[in-house]
Order: sequence, then C-alpha cells, then structure tokens
Amino acid sequence: EVQLVQSGGGLVQPGGSLRLSCVASGFIFNKYAMTWVRQAPGKGLEWVSDISASGGTANYADSVKGRFTISRDNSRDTLYLQMNSLRADDTAVYYCAKVALVHYLVRYYFQDWGQGALVTVSS
Amino acid sequence: DIQMTQSPSSLSASVGDSVTITCQASQDVGKYLNWYQQKPGKAPRLMIHDTSDLEAGVPSRISGGGSGTVFTFTISSLQPEDTATYYCQQYDNLPVTFGGGTKVEIK
Repeated sequence: EVQLVQSGGGLVQPGGSLRLSCVASGFIFNKYAMTWVRQAPGKGLEWVSDISASGGTANYADSVKGRFTISRDNSRDTLYLQMNSLRADDTAVYYCAKVALVHYLVRYYFQDWGQGALVTVSS
Repeated sequence: DIQMTQSPSSLSASVGDSVTITCQASQDVGKYLNWYQQKPGKAPRLMIHDTSDLEAGVPSRISGGGSGTVFTFTISSLQPEDTATYYCQQYDNLPVTFGGGTKVEIK
C-alpha cells in the first residue's frame, strides 16, 4: 500500500521559513517524480512544484519561484519543500503527491496523496 | 499557462439524478485531462485520468469524455457518497493547471 506521510506544517511569521517533509512507503521511491500541490483556505488546487525521480530536474510555479526549493533524499524515501520568504498568500494546506509512471513515461496525474500539512503565515 | 474553466461552480441534484460537469481548456490539451474528487478535510482522490480512464475502485456510474478543449465528467445516478468538490486538471502543457472546482450536493 502506497503511503505518503507529511510533517512540518505550522504557524510562521511573514518573511519566515518552514520546511515540509513527505515520507514515502509502499513503492520504489527513486523511480517516481513527485510533486507539491497547495490549497488556500476555501479555494481550489494549485500546483506548486515538482521534481524528477533522480532529483536532477525541478520545476516551480511562478508564484513561488526563487522562494521555495523542492528536494528529495532517495536514500530516506523523503521529499522536501523548503519555503523561504513566506507571505500571507502562501497560507494553505500543502499536499505531496506521487506522479504517475506509465511504461517508463511520466504522466502528470496524481494517484497517491499525502494527508496534507497546514501552513499559516501570519503575524 | 493553460486556463481551465469548470461549470457549473456548484450544483444540487436528487439521489438517482444524472449530473454532468464541464471543463473547458483555454487551448487544446488533447486527451490529457484528469478529474479529482475532494471531500472536506481530505486530500483529493484521482477519479479519472486521460479523459476517460477510470481509476481502480471508482464506480461505473462515473464516466468522463471529451477531447481537445471541452471535457465532461458525468455521474449517471447520483449517490449520497458523491457529495464532494470535483476538479479537472490538464497536463498536456506544463505547468499542470486545475479548474476552479465544482461543488456537488444532494438536494
């Protein structure tokens, strides 16, 4: 059974930093790209960032580029999101998710999700 | 970025009714359109990928269709457990983008 267990959310002041973690189990972590998706309170889903299986390639939404860094430790089966210079509009539940892999091709649909971590940016 | 527009933003129907949600893309996304169900306080659940491929465990009363820029998500006989918000998502052109969501309620 695939499991993605998240940790690291919390309350942080504007301008502050926070790191989210997502520990994976039930699949071969180093074979799959991973992604972060967020959801502001009462709002829809917004893709934030993704990273290739090897960790060599990362992509970011314009809204977080230069402030957030996605990374992974394949030896620990763990995905990270380092969030710096946080703003009030970064307040959201952040989800990690596994990107599908079909016949060795990456397919950007998300079959497995973490439970979510609430990040609140407020003074 | 490709804009995804869902309609309606909410709907209310009776148990047993057929309901359809529409998702329109601002440009052609081929067949690369997915649908998620989200219940309050829970992570999204993938229901359909690539326009019409049902995920394992998704009931057969749910179906997806369309191509290019207009896609549909249909529940043929609405059940109480279908109460949720549904999102479309394209991945033909990165970054992936989501529709604004459609809230489905039971009348």
